[in-house]
Amino acid sequence: DAKTTQPPSMDCAEGRAANLPCNHSTISGNEYVYWYRQIHSQGPQYIIHGLKNNETNEMASLIITEDRKSSTLILPHATLRDTAVYYCIVCGTASKLTFGTGTRLQVTL
Amino acid sequence: EADIYQTPRYLVIGTGKKITLECSQTMGHDKMYWYQQDPGMELHLIHYSYGVNSTEKGDLSSESTVSRIRTEHFPLTLESARPSHTSQYLCASSRSGGPIGTQYFGPGTRLLVL
Repeated sequence: DAKTTQPPSMDCAEGRAANLPCNHSTISGNEYVYWYRQIHSQGPQYIIHGLKNNETNEMASLIITEDRKSSTLILPHATLRDTAVYYCIVCGTASKLTFGTGTRLQVTL
Repeated sequence: EADIYQTPRYLVIGTGKKITLECSQTMGHDKMYWYQQDPGMELHLIHYSYGVNSTEKGDLSSESTVSRIRTEHFPLTLESARPSHTSQYLCASSRSGGPIGTQYFGPGTRLLVL
């Protein structure tokens, strides 16, 4: 599975959009981009995934560049409860997730 | 919300004891996983199962063992606990035929071996 690169930490003001970037320049054609988050060492929570089209659900939006080498997770109106570690994972056919170090998002008042 | 449960949530135990961490899911998922995570560190896959009587070792070597006798149950056992086993253990499941990377996680078991 392709490796991902994320900034170690980001801050966001409450109510503003949080844009979390991820680079996955070695992604192959059959690999999906998945996003999970982990709040204070609880079990990780699935957020969203996509292949090449942009995706939106009730939690977030996922924007994938046309060349698929990077993506951005958007939390449109961040709240304090969105403070967590966010993991960008590229997953192929083996259905095994490899978690990296993620981005620690701190939402502040 | 996913229905996946882990017990106990917290366990403090002495060196040399045998322990079993329980994981159960009520979603009928074929695939189940165990991850290990030290505080502030990455999650590492230590065991997985794609169905009854199927178990495989994950990416991180572990002295623990697992069994999968029933679809809904995937217990993890340490025959002789040591302080190096102190960690958080997270169980997850996913369904065959669904998005291959969509896993549902339990709340975790925090293990402290004295």
